[in-house]
Amino acid sequence: DQQVKQNSPSLSVQEGRISILNCDYTNSMFDYFLWYKKYPAEGPTFLISISSIKDKNEDGRFTVFLNKSAKHLSLHIVPSQPGDSAVYFCAASLQGAQKLVFGQGTRLTINP
Amino acid sequence: SAVISQKPSRDICQRGTSLTIQCQVDSQVTMMFWYRQQPGQSLTLIATANQGSEATYESGFVIDKFPISRPNLTFSTLTVSNMSPEDSSIYLCSAGASGGKGYTFGSGTRLTVV
Repeated sequence: DQQVKQNSPSLSVQEGRISILNCDYTNSMFDYFLWYKKYPAEGPTFLISISSIKDKNEDGRFTVFLNKSAKHLSLHIVPSQPGDSAVYFCAASLQGAQKLVFGQGTRLTINP
Repeated sequence: SAVISQKPSRDICQRGTSLTIQCQVDSQVTMMFWYRQQPGQSLTLIATANQGSEATYESGFVIDKFPISRPNLTFSTLTVSNMSPEDSSIYLCSAGASGGKGYTFGSGTRLTVV
């Protein structure tokens, strides 16, 4: 039972353009969502998060959008840079549960 | 954020043997977790390591196969017991003081069972 799904295993974007990574979830009780970024041979690092009471959160080049009715969130990176090339995981949690449920990850490649 | 040192970074083990992975955090943390990432898969939570008591295991994971210790607020170990090739994965430790945002991950242990 995959409660958090990232249906695109990979994405290739030209440098300077917008990267859009998508994530769907099935459990309507999730109330906190996060994006992590992972480079090879390193652990995931926290990137940005959003609470279910919001529909948008912005941090520099990174913006996360949440559509609760569609159970969908997305991460926008503008402009995309070569250093953004990594695997991106979305994750969800229940308040009070502390633990995270992760999607399968999307490998983002930024081409010069 | 906490900084995690995870050891070993990789190992190749014979089937039937056991491997213990260590996770050391540079500060006291409330929560510590162990994850597994199989090739091409997401990070799957194995268990929550509880300080001074038995770990809380997720469905599909049992203490006999993955015994976990957490003697204090900065250290935990995960043992992969009686290994088979299906246990070949990356194992990751995670720790933090609050939900999600504050969680830091170790660099992972790449385990190959032959």
